[in-house]
Amino acid sequence: GAGVSQSPSNKVTEKGKDVELRCDPISGHTALYWYRQSLGQGLEFLIYFQGNSAPDKSGLPSDRFSAERTGGSVSTLTIQRTQQEDSAVYLCASSLFGTEGGYTFGSGTRLTVV
Amino acid sequence: ILNVEQSPQSLHVQEGDSTNFTCSFPSSNFYALHWYRWETAKSPEALFVMTLNGDEKKKGRISATLNTKEGYSYLYIKGSQPEDSATYLCAGGSNYKLTFGKGTLLTVNP
Repeated sequence: GAGVSQSPSNKVTEKGKDVELRCDPISGHTALYWYRQSLGQGLEFLIYFQGNSAPDKSGLPSDRFSAERTGGSVSTLTIQRTQQEDSAVYLCASSLFGTEGGYTFGSGTRLTVV
Repeated sequence: ILNVEQSPQSLHVQEGDSTNFTCSFPSSNFYALHWYRWETAKSPEALFVMTLNGDEKKKGRISATLNTKEGYSYLYIKGSQPEDSATYLCAGGSNYKLTFGKGTLLTVNP
């Protein structure tokens, strides 16, 4: 596609429910990242996929968070049993390879847990 | 963990003013420094990727400098316009992962 596409753009969910956030990266980009921005904080790294390599999950804040990338393209970030502190803007980015040349970001999913 | 600091946290300027803000980062093990602009309701947009000490890059009225020895980068905007209003993020890191600062929120008043 022309850009990185994320859905939904907004999600309001009740505490304890599971949510799935989707990211469709630029075709041909081998690297895919998930970040989130909580209120008053910087962008926080969550997870990184590079080609067929094992993902770097070091930024996932708890075992309630998981992500997968199918066929080296679309990625889904799943948050189980959501908590209020999960409320944030979740951003996906892709790049040709790693950080060289910079990231292309999607417009994000604003998640609100009530 | 890489610590990237930005200042000021927010800034209000009048249309036509020139302005600048700072990104500081650890000077050891430097790889690259990125600047992004994030307008409300839009995607963050890459402005510059800088790798060499003394680098200076320019894009229209926006320019950036890099000092890797002392660990800082400046972003300059000449003749600010209301459409420059955005959060400006800097990020440092490795060849595969970036650590972002909290950003500088710039508001340009007409």
